[in-house]
Amino acid sequence: NAGVMQNPRHLVRRRGQEARLRCSPMKGHSHVYWYRQLPEEGLKFMVYLQKENIIDESGMPKERFSAEFPKEGPSILRIQQVVRGDSAAYFCASSPPGHQPQHFGDGTRLSIL
Amino acid sequence: AQSVTQLDSQVPVFEEAPVELRCNYSSSVSVYLFWYVQYPNQGLQLLLKYLSGSTLVKGINGFEAEFNKSQTSFHLRKPSVHISDTAEYFCAVIEVQGAQKLVFGQGTRLTINP
Repeated sequence: NAGVMQNPRHLVRRRGQEARLRCSPMKGHSHVYWYRQLPEEGLKFMVYLQKENIIDESGMPKERFSAEFPKEGPSILRIQQVVRGDSAAYFCASSPPGHQPQHFGDGTRLSIL
Repeated sequence: AQSVTQLDSQVPVFEEAPVELRCNYSSSVSVYLFWYVQYPNQGLQLLLKYLSGSTLVKGINGFEAEFNKSQTSFHLRKPSVHISDTAEYFCAVIEVQGAQKLVFGQGTRLTINP
């Protein structure tokens, strides 16, 4: 029973490029959450999605960041025109509807040159 | 809004010694509580959770935690640690009814020395 799958595990981008991070939830889970872990900091909530709906995006930066969870396929976190401050580990978690706990993937470590 | 405070950023312990990692939270509503462990370059693995019932919860790898509502604490304990327990430990809370987002503490780095 596969867990939460994130890819790529490592992603290097130059300033100004776009970064796309993908997350496939656990089987049977229809809720996806994205968190960001900045160096030497804890994890901070970014966005909560269900299929085709953004439920809570209160933690998303107002510009350059977007997320989607289409009817088919993985959830995507998209960062446009990346800057050095976007360097972080981005974690995806999933859960069944209305249930806890959330199960986490291994993360994508984004480095900006 | 909720907040979580992990009182120790680093805890060094000798192998086979007991350990306690402290966690206090603040919330105006009922919350569920969790401890996660993060090994280097990996994601978060759930150690244990408190949803309801007995305030003493047992988790994986010999860890346990006690929910103390009056002191708003959820300290993690293990009676005898191993080298393999070296990792970062995160305490987290989530509203029972409301925003479904985990609020994490800053983490405690547990280092086990031989």
